[in-house]
Amino acid sequence: EADIYQTPRYLVIGTGKKITLECSQTMGHDKMYWYQQDPGMELHLIHYSYGVNSTEKGDLSSESTVSRIRTEHFPLTLESARPSHTSQYLCASSGQGRGVEQYFGPGTRLTVT
Amino acid sequence: SQQGEEDPQALSIQEGENATMNCSYKTSINNLQWYRQNSGRGLVHLILIRSNEREKHSGRLRVTLDTSKKSSSLLITASRAADTASYFCARLNSGAGSYQLTFGKGTKLSVIP
Repeated sequence: EADIYQTPRYLVIGTGKKITLECSQTMGHDKMYWYQQDPGMELHLIHYSYGVNSTEKGDLSSESTVSRIRTEHFPLTLESARPSHTSQYLCASSGQGRGVEQYFGPGTRLTVT
Repeated sequence: SQQGEEDPQALSIQEGENATMNCSYKTSINNLQWYRQNSGRGLVHLILIRSNEREKHSGRLRVTLDTSKKSSSLLITASRAADTASYFCARLNSGAGSYQLTFGKGTKLSVIP
């Protein structure tokens, strides 16, 4: 099992609420990623970070924001949740080198009512 | 789409049979990786094959890569019920500086006991 954790695992929340999805890894990896995945569909990269104080947007436009103040921690925030944000959010990390394997957390399944 | 295609989208086989999944892509790659996702969970890395390799084995898994046809296949031999999952290929595109993987849409494998 990879040492990467996501909380909460499931979240049901009303429209307009602010939410933060937590992601932590204990492997000392410099690179971390957030993906969005609808049921039965492919993963879309929404944010990534190559180290502390480094964050970039991914291929899929997202209204969420991320921060990377500590190596091990990469939280994702939605300032005002909407039903269109309903999805599964997967956090991943990878170590030194280019194109090495990524380790995934168990995911957060978000439902916005 | 730069993400390419995986086929079949779904595959149902009897326990003990072999399962073959294919992945095609459109741009030059540095490496190609296969991941497994159990229902509603995070992804688990299975195997990585570099662009200068043609075949790799890991236990009951065999991966081939044909860069001239821009395609890869994953063979699972002597399948078990526990192999039931979705399988994704992910590509690291060629080009300096990119650490991001592009995931396909996945093949959903069902192994019937």
